[in-house]
Amino acid sequence: DAGVIQSPRHEVTEMGQEVTLRCKPISGHNSLFWYRQTMMRGLELLIYFNNNVPIDDSGMPEDRFSAKMPNASFSTLKIQPSEPRDSAVYFCASRKQGRETQYFGPGTRLLVL
Amino acid sequence: QKEVEQNSGPLSVPEGAIASLNCTYSDRVSQSFFWYRQYSGKSPELIMSIYSNGDKEDGRFTAQLNKASQYVSLLIRDSQPSDSATYLCAVNIKNQAGTALIFGKGTTLSVSS
Repeated sequence: DAGVIQSPRHEVTEMGQEVTLRCKPISGHNSLFWYRQTMMRGLELLIYFNNNVPIDDSGMPEDRFSAKMPNASFSTLKIQPSEPRDSAVYFCASRKQGRETQYFGPGTRLLVL
Repeated sequence: QKEVEQNSGPLSVPEGAIASLNCTYSDRVSQSFFWYRQYSGKSPELIMSIYSNGDKEDGRFTAQLNKASQYVSLLIRDSQPSDSATYLCAVNIKNQAGTALIFGKGTTLSVSS
């Protein structure tokens, strides 16, 4: 059974450019979470969805960040425009309804120059 | 602001020793607690969950929970060099929107052979 899939695995871009991160949750999981991890701030929850609906986006740092989940098998996290302080590892995780265990994808390592 | 606190370490133990990792949390109503292990450059993976006061054992790992003191710990017996990783404590937080995990910044464990 495939785990959470994220793409790209690495992204290097210049300040001001748009960045789109993608995630495919585990089939049958109905909750999806986007996290950002840095040395300074640790693993921070940005936003999460239940049944494709955004439930809590209080962790989204600024209006430059947006996330969508158009269907049960795909989600995007977009940063526009990107800034150097957005450099981090972005993880997507999914969870099955009624369970509390979250399964993480491999992450996208983003570097904004 | 609900918080999860961990000593960042590094915690260094010799092979075969017991490693003790600690975590405190601020939300008194939290009911579910988790320990994730994260190897360098990899994604977090769940190793233990605990819901009731007391101890829960799984192989060389024991999770301990004290809700009155808002304290969770992880003991690793017979530590091995392969246990060298960052250990993240996570607490399930419920609010009006739903439930999500809040993570500590992690404790780095180094087991020397």
